[in-house]
Amino acid sequence: DAGVIQSPRHEVTEMGQEVTLRCKPISGHDYLFWYRQTMMRGLELLIYFNNNVPIDDSGMPEDRFSAKMPNASFSTLKIQPSEPRDSAVYFCASRQTGGVTEAFFGQGTRLTVV
Amino acid sequence: KQEVTQIPAALSVPEGENLVLNCSFTDSAIYNLQWFRQDPGKGLTSLLLIQSSQREQTSGRLNASLDKSSGRSTLYIAASQPGDSATYLCAVRRSSGSARQLTFGSGTQLTVLP
Repeated sequence: DAGVIQSPRHEVTEMGQEVTLRCKPISGHDYLFWYRQTMMRGLELLIYFNNNVPIDDSGMPEDRFSAKMPNASFSTLKIQPSEPRDSAVYFCASRQTGGVTEAFFGQGTRLTVV
Repeated sequence: KQEVTQIPAALSVPEGENLVLNCSFTDSAIYNLQWFRQDPGKGLTSLLLIQSSQREQTSGRLNASLDKSSGRSTLYIAASQPGDSATYLCAVRRSSGSARQLTFGSGTQLTVLP
């Protein structure tokens, strides 16, 4: 398996624009997580899905953030409108119930909002 | 609310030295604790996972210990090499509640000097 795949790897956008981050989890994994990493706050869990259903979105900072998982092999995190304080690295991770590790992480998307 | 602390934030050692990274957590009701490695610009790679019933786990030159009662874990790296240079994060998973989420520490940035 190629692991968790995220796209794009880097995104630079202007304030106010819509940003969509994409994630393909490892095949067969039933959990998917979206994290945000900044120097100030470290790694924060934004939202996670189980079997494509959002379970806990309490980490989503504002209504500007939304996430979907239309099927087991694809998820998106959308920010609309984007703001400079959204600049961070966004990670997607997946895991399988009963798996030996807590989560497999993608390479991340570095978002810069100017 | 679980808080995970890693001290020091950065560590620099000469090649060949044995070293210990520290992780402390405030709520001892954990399900497991995991150590990750993060290389610059990359995602997280799982190193070791310790279940709450275990005291330690070993993989090659790495040994992780867990003392739930004191809320501490250590990651021991033997005979350090320049390739070990990375940021090391620990993460704990709660033992109860519907939120199957990891709480991450802020990491220790390790530099092994050749």
